[in-house]
Amino acid sequence: RKEVEQDPGPFNVPEGATVAFNCTYSNSASQSFFWYRQDCRKEPKLLMSVYSSGNEDGRFTAQLNRASQYISLLIRDSKLSDSATYLCVVPGGRNFNKFYFGSGTKLNVKP
Amino acid sequence: DAEITQSPRHKITETGRQVTLACHQTWNHNNMFWYRQDLGHGLRLIHYSYGVQDTNKGEVSDGYSVSRSNTEDLPLTLESAASSQTSVYFCASSMDRNYGYTFGSGTRLTVV
Repeated sequence: RKEVEQDPGPFNVPEGATVAFNCTYSNSASQSFFWYRQDCRKEPKLLMSVYSSGNEDGRFTAQLNRASQYISLLIRDSKLSDSATYLCVVPGGRNFNKFYFGSGTKLNVKP
Repeated sequence: DAEITQSPRHKITETGRQVTLACHQTWNHNNMFWYRQDLGHGLRLIHYSYGVQDTNKGEVSDGYSVSRSNTEDLPLTLESAASSQTSVYFCASSMDRNYGYTFGSGTRLTVV
């Protein structure tokens, strides 16, 4: 089983829509999680961290479900500028300092 | 401001040549990582280091090597470049597991 799995999409949504992505992970001992955003094979950039049950930052909400081992990212009131690939990241390895990346979920926000 | 820089941004090389990609960070992070990214594969870990003189193999380390002689630098060497190593390479660093990675802007390598 892969360390991290994501639905590749694409998710095609109109501006203003609410969209949610899920990500499942295999290591139940993982404590912190991250969502990254990547544009057109540029470097990934940290979007949100999730340490406990969830985190909210403006239009973005990340939630963690430890029992089912998944994290989700909810984007409300989608903007054209939200079009990107969203990567789910789960720490692992020695002392959990090595991160495993999902293959990414592509979001296209249409006018 | 602290940063992480990769050089060169673009590189074209011939099959069989040795190539070194540079990664330099001024965050004073102990942890540094090299990834490659190809269409359909996402980010795959090549090598990583948790500190000076420490290096570890990732999931796709064959044909690559790294060395860590100081905190700031983790150069990635392709011993004998192959066309299969044409890819975008990202370097990243982190303080620890609670802070996420900071990525360099990437090196686009083409092996012809």
